[in-house]
Amino acid sequence: NAGVMQNPRHLVRRRGQEARLRCSPMKGHSHVYWYRQLPEEGLKFMVYLQKENIIDESGMPKERFSAEFPKEGPSILRIQQVVRGDSAAYFCASSPGQSYGYTFGSGTRLTVV
Amino acid sequence: AQSVTQLGSHVSVSEGALVLLRCNYSSSVPPYLFWYVQYPNQGLQLLLKYTTGATLVKGINGFEAEFKKSETSFHLTKPSAHMSDAAEYFCAVSDRVTQGGSEKLVFGKGTKLTVNP
Repeated sequence: NAGVMQNPRHLVRRRGQEARLRCSPMKGHSHVYWYRQLPEEGLKFMVYLQKENIIDESGMPKERFSAEFPKEGPSILRIQQVVRGDSAAYFCASSPGQSYGYTFGSGTRLTVV
Repeated sequence: AQSVTQLGSHVSVSEGALVLLRCNYSSSVPPYLFWYVQYPNQGLQLLLKYTTGATLVKGINGFEAEFKKSETSFHLTKPSAHMSDAAEYFCAVSDRVTQGGSEKLVFGKGTKLTVNP
């Protein structure tokens, strides 16, 4: 029973490029959360999705960032026109529903050069 | 708005000594409280959580935490540190969830635990 799978583990992008981060939730999990961890900081909530719906995007930057969780396939966090300040570890977590708690993936470490 | 304060960004203990990691929270509603552990270049693993009921919560790897409402604290303890406990520990708080609501967590900045032989 695989855990939450994130890929790639490491991603290097030049300033101005697009970054696509993928998250495959655990089997049977239909709730996905994305968090960002900046150096020396705790995790900050970005967005909460259920299949085909964004439920809470209160932590998402207003520009350049978007997320989706289609009916089929993984959840995608997309960052357009990346800047150095986007360099961080991005973690996905999944849950089977409310009040179950959730399981984190190992993260994608984005470096913008 | 909720917040979490972890006192001490670095804590160092000797192997076999008591581990005490401090966490204070701020919440306008009765909170859910969590402790997570993160090993280098890995994701977060849940150690324990408090939702309702008994205020002393036991978790994995011999850790426990006590919810003290009057002190707004949720400190993490372990009687005897092991070398394998060296990691970063995060305290987190979330609202009690309304139907259809978000269970987002607010994290503290973390405490790095070093265990000396």
